Amino acid sequence: DAGITQSPRHKVTETGTPVTLRCHQTENHRYMYWYRQDPGHGLRLIHYSYGVKDTDKGEVSDGYSVSRSKTEDFLLTLESATSSQTSVYFCAISALAGGENEQFFGPGTRLTVL
Amino acid sequence: GENVEQHPSTLSVQEGDSAVIKCTYSDSASNYFPWYKQELGKRPQLIIDIRSNVGEKKDQRIAVTLNKTAKHFSLHITETQPEDSAVYFCAAAGNTPLVFGKGTRLSVIA
Repeated sequence: DAGITQSPRHKVTETGTPVTLRCHQTENHRYMYWYRQDPGHGLRLIHYSYGVKDTDKGEVSDGYSVSRSKTEDFLLTLESATSSQTSVYFCAISALAGGENEQFFGPGTRLTVL
Repeated sequence: GENVEQHPSTLSVQEGDSAVIKCTYSDSASNYFPWYKQELGKRPQLIIDIRSNVGEKKDQRIAVTLNKTAKHFSLHITETQPEDSAVYFCAAAGNTPLVFGKGTRLSVIA
């Protein structure tokens, strides 16, 4: 597996609380992505980054923010968690842009919002 | 933006038979088409990919075909084995991040 870790791996929180998920890579890849996976919806892109401090929105970005202050770390924040954000969150990395290079996934974070 | 449709959503085959999963895409600018396998509780793993300058690619029991004119691509698994049971995702990308299909749950019955 590519050098990607996610923390925490499991989290249970309550509605209205802030939550931050961390993705860390040791591959020095330029591109990093956050996806959520829900039954019947596959993998949907939340936000992605194409460099330090450079980020853009994905298909399902409402309610999420991201930050990338170092090449190796990409943070996903839920400012005020809702039950609809209960999901499995995957981070992914790639050396080049979408159509030019393979994309590899981290182990995932299972988030439950009560 | 890109839209990827994947069929079927579930597929059951007898061990030793072949399995075919089909995907269509909408953006003619897409030029990269990977396939991922996800076992229960695990991360998606890249198993094979194809680029738009190639019509077919094979890796042991797995093959992918691409028809750019019709905007569809397919995954073929021959001589299926119980360990092939998983969810398979297709995806497409050009200048933008990968867009994924909704997945196919493949069950190989021994």
